[in-house]
Amino acid sequence: EPEVTQTPSHQVTQMGQEVILRCVPISNHLYFYWYRQILGQKVEFLVSFYNNEISEKSEIFDDQFSVERPDGSNFTLKIRSTKLEDSAMYFCASRELAATDTQYFGPGTRLTVL
Amino acid sequence: RKEVEQDPGPFNVPEGATVAFNCTYSNSASQSFFWYRQDCRKEPKLLMSVYSSGNEDGRFTAQLNRASQYISLLIRDSKLSDSATYLCVVNMGGGSNYKLTFGKGTLLTVNP
Repeated sequence: EPEVTQTPSHQVTQMGQEVILRCVPISNHLYFYWYRQILGQKVEFLVSFYNNEISEKSEIFDDQFSVERPDGSNFTLKIRSTKLEDSAMYFCASRELAATDTQYFGPGTRLTVL
Repeated sequence: RKEVEQDPGPFNVPEGATVAFNCTYSNSASQSFFWYRQDCRKEPKLLMSVYSSGNEDGRFTAQLNRASQYISLLIRDSKLSDSATYLCVVNMGGGSNYKLTFGKGTLLTVNP
């Protein structure tokens, strides 16, 4: 069964450094998402992406965040200058079509900012 | 009112028990509804979609009441492997505005 993959599984960085989290969505999917989950808290929507542009973003997704689909397979989340409060699990998800309901989640990247 | 609110739990039940989870959502324009399960430090995995007519998948039954903005999940004959956090999830947009809003989850532990 096709699945969403994410790399790395765990990223440790120093405050102020840039990080890039990578995702490979399911190959025929058209809609892509990033969510995050701070330890002990709920999963929160960050951004949705379709047709090479952002469809919607949350208040969390400020100027420090950006997303890109640099080629036909990868979907990346960049945090320009990490803060301690960016420490969380970051989940990528994809969805096939506008008419389909199901989002498939990747295994996540645990980001630790020191 | 929180966007998606669930029983805080945790629930501890013996194997074979029936357990019910409840959830309410605030946005009456919400489009679609789901229950996901999440194992510790893992990604959310879709358990089932929830329809107004109610739907059943083996030991799991989900119900939606749009008038009350209420969603439920019933697990019958619970197994040890059902131990997880159960997430009530709502899609509050459609098409390219689709995004999932999660409840905080209810932790279930099934004991031998």
